[in-house]
Amino acid sequence: GESVGLHLPTLSVQEGDNSIINCAYSNSASDYFIWYKQESGKGPQFIIDIRSNMDKRQGQRVTVLLNKTVKHLSLQIAATQPGDSAVYFCANSGNTPLVFGKGTRLSVIA
Amino acid sequence: DGGITQSPKYLFRKEGQNVTLSCEQNLNHDAMYWYRQDPGQGLRLIYYSQIVNDFQKGDIAEGYSVSREKKESFPLTVTSAQKNPTAFYLCASSIQGKRYEQYFGPGTRLTVT
Repeated sequence: GESVGLHLPTLSVQEGDNSIINCAYSNSASDYFIWYKQESGKGPQFIIDIRSNMDKRQGQRVTVLLNKTVKHLSLQIAATQPGDSAVYFCANSGNTPLVFGKGTRLSVIA
Repeated sequence: DGGITQSPKYLFRKEGQNVTLSCEQNLNHDAMYWYRQDPGQGLRLIYYSQIVNDFQKGDIAEGYSVSREKKESFPLTVTSAQKNPTAFYLCASSIQGKRYEQYFGPGTRLTVT
């Protein structure tokens, strides 16, 4: 999830297991909540978004859950693969452009 | 093959010099953005432009300047006034109605010594 300081939260997952990456947000006025994936040395890549009037959205192998009561967003990755190793950022969008969290590093253990 | 290109991938400059980072897109996107990323940190917005000849400051615009003379191009100048310019710079674009779905370039790693 989001954090302060220079060290990214890290999640290590065995290949084939499910991964859950969490994020807390503060802006209740956001219209959209988004997950991005950033591989080492590359730009972020859009994964999935969810509108603020939804609480769950599924994509291919990914599910995003939104809990507006506690301002919490999560990304679930099913059957995690080595190619899923990356830093995952949550972001939210309202009247201003995207606000990104600090990211979580996902490491997949083969 | 549509996308966003940033050049160069690595850039080295001496302190006190201005440097301009290139960003070009052929996605026909109206909006373009510049972000700065420091090690272990998220992305911070420097400037963004929603239309040609118009741009707005982001959260950390001090020491930077931009121009948007063409839809395809959004160059960023890191001036000598930027106190800590060494960072990874990312350019992105989006269609006007979907600013949450941004397409990023590969980034330019700037080192100032």
